[in-house]
Amino acid sequence: IVMTQSPATLAVSPGERATLSCRASQSVSNSFLAWYQQKPGQAPRLLIYDASTRATGIPARFSGSGSGTEFTLTISSLQSEDVAVYYCQQYSRWPLTFGGGTKVEIK
Amino acid sequence: QVQLVEFGGGVVQPGGSLRLSCAASGFSFSTYAMHWVRQAPGKGLEWVAVISYDGSDKVYTDSVKGRYTISRDNSKNTLYLQLNSLRAEDSAVYHCAKDQFSGSGIHWATNRLDPWGQGTLVAVSS
Repeated sequence: IVMTQSPATLAVSPGERATLSCRASQSVSNSFLAWYQQKPGQAPRLLIYDASTRATGIPARFSGSGSGTEFTLTISSLQSEDVAVYYCQQYSRWPLTFGGGTKVEIK
Repeated sequence: QVQLVEFGGGVVQPGGSLRLSCAASGFSFSTYAMHWVRQAPGKGLEWVAVISYDGSDKVYTDSVKGRYTISRDNSKNTLYLQLNSLRAEDSAVYHCAKDQFSGSGIHWATNRLDPWGQGTLVAVSS
């Protein structure tokens, strides 16, 4: 399953909403879709799984939605510490596949 | 807390071999599936392989089948990745990652990766 993310780069003002998109080349069964955050120089961190469930310790400003082939990650009020690259990943079938990433910057 | 520390990376010539290790601590290693994911410099993430909690099941991405071997030693809390017949396009930081929840039977992996190690760099160059 090929995962495509858009936009490649997103510049958002502090406190504003950031909306990231992820599209799958075929339906992701059971909404087996995860989002990861990778800050510069760090390992990726799991944010969201099953399309909309926040992982342990993830702030409520991060939310996920979608099903089938269209998924969205929303950061409701962007903070400076949210500057990172965000990746979606499907785990409905092997091989596990990631999107190309969306880089979120502060405007 | 959970810690994953990879080592064993380095510079190797095309056609050469390396063995990567991932030392795990802070959780019951023998009850979790484990993954390897790689990231070429400045590029995105590519999943490489997964191994079940007891080592009986293994799955690889197509580009490494027949060249890489994933294994584990539960007595040493260590995950391995043997890399053979290396190519320039295998150059990347290799991360190990723990499956999110412990598995059993046919449900041996959730395929959600949490957490990840910092990675070890493999550079294939002549």
